[in-house]
Amino acid sequence: AQSVTQPDIHITVSEGASLELRCNYSYGATPYLFWYVQSPGQGLQLLLKYFSGDTLVQGIKGFEAEFKRSQSSFNLRKPSVHWSDAAEYFCAVGEGNSGNTPLVFGKGTRLSVIA
Amino acid sequence: DGGITQSPKYLFRKEGQNVTLSCEQNLNHDAMYWYRQDPGQGLRLIYYSQIVNDFQKGDIAEGYSVSREKKESFPLTVTSAQKNPTAFYLCASSPLTLFWTDTQYFGPGTRLTVL
Repeated sequence: AQSVTQPDIHITVSEGASLELRCNYSYGATPYLFWYVQSPGQGLQLLLKYFSGDTLVQGIKGFEAEFKRSQSSFNLRKPSVHWSDAAEYFCAVGEGNSGNTPLVFGKGTRLSVIA
Repeated sequence: DGGITQSPKYLFRKEGQNVTLSCEQNLNHDAMYWYRQDPGQGLRLIYYSQIVNDFQKGDIAEGYSVSREKKESFPLTVTSAQKNPTAFYLCASSPLTLFWTDTQYFGPGTRLTVL
């Protein structure tokens, strides 16, 4: 069964600094990978997803992520963080060979942004 | 506007009472999901349904029940058998796919507090 690890529970960055959130997955075949963001008390919003093709994917709000098969990673990056990016971020993996099976989520990384 | 609605946003119940959380979607999605979210635990899958009148247990189904009588609706009942029901509950839906796991779209969530 697939699994997702987000090694960092909480990260604090200064506004304007760069950001990288780590995600490692375990899955034998080609994974389908997602990053979601959740503001306090809200649902999850899709930031970006990787299904195939170019391993560097662009998302909303200036985020990007890179799929590295050799490292089983799908890290999320942003070159300059804004205070409004403070939220919880979830990485998720889906199966690439069967339909409609639920995504498996990591436990999340909480991002704090300081002035 | 297409989307997923969950009602109510906040729900308070006395211990020992069953309570039903509503989830409706007008995205014409075939699959629907219920997750429970606790601090530091990420998202844990309760139940999911890939088609009307059919559903499967997730990782933490004990103490919960669901029905899927209509494509657009997937209500969750938290029964008195659920030992610790106070949590944030998220509903999601996704399109029908045969060979991969497609994007899940989330509702705004319901915070259930059992007194």
